[in-house]
Amino acid sequence: DAGVIQSPRHEVTEMGQEVTLRCKPISGHDYLFWYRQTMMRGLELLIYFNNNVPIDDSGMPEDRFSAKMPNASFSTLKIQPSEPRDSAVYFCASSPRGDSPLHFGNGTRLTVT
Amino acid sequence: AQKITQTQPGMFVQEKEAVTLDCTYDTSDQSYGLFWYKQPSSGEMIFLIYQGSYDEQNATEGRYSLNFQKARKSANLVISASQLGDSAMYFCAMRERDSSYKLIFGSGTRLLVRP
Repeated sequence: DAGVIQSPRHEVTEMGQEVTLRCKPISGHDYLFWYRQTMMRGLELLIYFNNNVPIDDSGMPEDRFSAKMPNASFSTLKIQPSEPRDSAVYFCASSPRGDSPLHFGNGTRLTVT
Repeated sequence: AQKITQTQPGMFVQEKEAVTLDCTYDTSDQSYGLFWYKQPSSGEMIFLIYQGSYDEQNATEGRYSLNFQKARKSANLVISASQLGDSAMYFCAMRERDSSYKLIFGSGTRLLVRP
């Protein structure tokens, strides 16, 4: 079991650039979550999927953020255009069922200058 | 309204002593799960323990136990025999069936274990 795999681990980009974060969930997990963590706002749920279908994207900050899950083994979170206030650690997590714990990836630390 | 409340931003405990981290939750759902995660300074999120709303026994996992008081809507984490490696942020979280099982976190408690 390789765990949840996120890439890249670190991303530094300039304001206005497009950023794409990637996630490979654990095989067989039906749920996939994207979180953002900052000192000011803690752990915020951005969006989550069940069986590749977005269930709740109410946490997505604005239209600059979009997420896709084209198949059961891959998801992306895209920010276009990026802004300095998007700087944070972005976590992807997956779980097999609705009542089971989430398994987290190691996160992507995004810095927008 | 806050779904998960952790009222202790920071706590100290002496090595080898027990410590309780508080968590209260707000739900009208009958079916829900409560979770505790540990986040060390290295940043990863580590699952510690789970309590289901229908579980009658308090959950235990090694040195971790969950003091589940359903009527009071509290799910406190107890760490026995604290170790220096227990110094970390601890997050309480909840998944509710009526909310399609989204996982919501509290603000966390930073625990520092003193030698």
